[in-house]
Amino acid sequence: AQSVTQLGSHVSVSEGALVLLRCNYSSSVPPYLFWYVQYPNQGLQLLLKYTSAATLVKGINGFEAEFKKSETSFHLTKPSAHMSDAAEYFCAVKQAGTALIFGKGTTLSVSS
Amino acid sequence: GAGVSQSPSNKVTEKGKDVELRCDPISGHTALYWYRQSLGQGLEFLIYFQGNSAPDKSGLPSDRFSAERTGGSVSTLTIQRTQQEDSAVYLCASSTTGGEGYEQYFGPGTRLTVT
Repeated sequence: AQSVTQLGSHVSVSEGALVLLRCNYSSSVPPYLFWYVQYPNQGLQLLLKYTSAATLVKGINGFEAEFKKSETSFHLTKPSAHMSDAAEYFCAVKQAGTALIFGKGTTLSVSS
Repeated sequence: GAGVSQSPSNKVTEKGKDVELRCDPISGHTALYWYRQSLGQGLEFLIYFQGNSAPDKSGLPSDRFSAERTGGSVSTLTIQRTQQEDSAVYLCASSTTGGEGYEQYFGPGTRLTVT
């Protein structure tokens, strides 16, 4: 069965600092991986997805993620945090023919 | 174009009552998903529709939960005899198809509070 682990339920950074949110997956087949963001009292918005076309995936709002098969990781990064990046971030893996399996989520706080 | 819409946005109900939650997917999306988001459990899959059929309903937590989809469009999630542990945000998502590489577009959710 596929699964996703997000290391760190809370991450705090200063404005302008690097953002690194960790995600490791478990899958017996090549995975399809996604990062979603959820702002307070809103639904989930897709940041980026990996579908095997390229290992470095660029998404919206300056975020990117690198698929590393040897490390079974798909960490999310952004070079310089903005206050508006404060939100909850979810890593997910898509199972064939059915739903997304989500990690527990990481809350990102950005301080000025 | 219009995104996924859900109604009501908030629902407060008394324990033991039945509730219906509605989802309007993006037009033309054949795949529809229901998830539940709660503090203790994170985001949990409930049921997946392809067209009007539900090939995977393995996430429904009990027989009090049921869902249907009509006309390949609108879906209704029904919870009978609600319990306090049903309190959560219920999210609906739709996708072009059920294939692995296709992103799901989420609605804003229905916040259910059972008192």
